Amino acid sequence: AQSVAQPEDQVNVAEGNPLTVKCTYSVSGNPYLFWYVQYPNRGLQFLLKYITGDNLVKGSYGFEAEFNKSQTSFHLKKPSALVSDSALYFCAVRDTYNTDKLIFGTGTRLQVFP
Amino acid sequence: DTGVSQDPRHKITKRGQNVTFRCDPISEHNRLYWYRQTLGQGPEFLTYFQNEAQLEKSRLLSDRFSAERPKGSFSTLEIQRTEQGDSAMYLCASSVGADRRNTIYFGEGSWLTVV
Repeated sequence: AQSVAQPEDQVNVAEGNPLTVKCTYSVSGNPYLFWYVQYPNRGLQFLLKYITGDNLVKGSYGFEAEFNKSQTSFHLKKPSALVSDSALYFCAVRDTYNTDKLIFGTGTRLQVFP
Repeated sequence: DTGVSQDPRHKITKRGQNVTFRCDPISEHNRLYWYRQTLGQGPEFLTYFQNEAQLEKSRLLSDRFSAERPKGSFSTLEIQRTEQGDSAMYLCASSVGADRRNTIYFGEGSWLTVV
């Protein structure tokens, strides 16, 4: 069965510092990986996705993510955090064999301090 | 694109009442999904449609829940005889076609509070 793990409930970082939000996954076939962001009382906004090809994918708002097949990871990164990046971040996966639905992790709250 | 639209955004209802949520997907998106999100959790899949056909339902979708997409455009999610455990945000999402590489876009969600 597909699954996603986000091992950190919360990540704290100072503004201007680099940030990393971790995600690992488990699938049967080839993974399609997604990151979404959720601001308070709002829906999910798509940030970026990995489908195939270059292991480093770039997305919205200066975010990027690195796919690592051997470690089954897809960590979200940003070189310089902003206070406005503070939000809830979700990693999600679909694969090529199982059901079409997106499977989400439990989310990581990112807090960027000024 | 105008985005995925959900209505109402907030609903407070008494236990035992029925509620209905509406979702309008992005124009020309033939896939439509419903998810439920409770506090501190990630979104959980409920059901999805390809045009008007309901292709999969989660075990979370008890007999009190029913979803329809009668003309392959908007969808409704009805909860009958609501319980306090139904309190959650109900998220609708849509995507183009059956290609799993396609991005799924979410609406702003409909908050349900059962008192």
